[in-house]
Amino acid sequence: DIVLTQSPATLSLSTGERATLSCRASQSVPMSHLAWYQQKPGQAPRLLIYGAFSRATGVPDRFSGSASGTDFTLVISRLEPEDFGVYYCQQYGRSPPITFGQGTRLE
Amino acid sequence: QVQMVESGGGVVQPGGSLRLSCAASGFTFSSYAIHWVRQAPGKGLEWVSAISYDGSSQYYADSVKGRVTVSRDNSQSTLYLQMHTLKTEDTATYYCAKAYYSRWYFDSWGQGTLVTVSS
Repeated sequence: DIVLTQSPATLSLSTGERATLSCRASQSVPMSHLAWYQQKPGQAPRLLIYGAFSRATGVPDRFSGSASGTDFTLVISRLEPEDFGVYYCQQYGRSPPITFGQGTRLE
Repeated sequence: QVQMVESGGGVVQPGGSLRLSCAASGFTFSSYAIHWVRQAPGKGLEWVSAISYDGSSQYYADSVKGRVTVSRDNSQSTLYLQMHTLKTEDTATYYCAKAYYSRWYFDSWGQGTLVTVSS
């Protein structure tokens, strides 16, 4: 199974700053089949990025995804108040099983 | 718009059984694979199970294999998860999630239903 390791565990930033979240896979993820989700307390996850690079419908363009080998990155260019929460990466290239990273808390 | 509503959660004793449901609307249910993903209190996301668009194929995480059965009724746009021999570590919020066709990322999620396994 592909293990996804997210870093940092917690990221403390302020509104207007740039956030860089990392997700490292234990082996190659075929076809960059990696997604990013945002979750706020008491809510279901929300899809942000799929295919490592593509923004989901309605996601602001301050969110962007990139990939280099087994390293994947989510960047939020300028934080808005509504961007704070927990972010998860998920691979679906070698599935089943689908695997998630352990999450990065953006506070 | 797409809506997915889970139900059936509750408190159950270890070794007990529970059946979760997920009622979907706003899309052609019979065209999409649907998954169950769970989240233990204060923890991360864990994939549990998936079923193909027509119900012909089912997939399970090792942690639940042999104790859980996923099924669907396309005529009712409803997904089910039958759980047996429940353990305390099955305590979690269970979400149903719609996959994007054959690409298993999730573009719509339900609000979740909480299962608590406790004596």
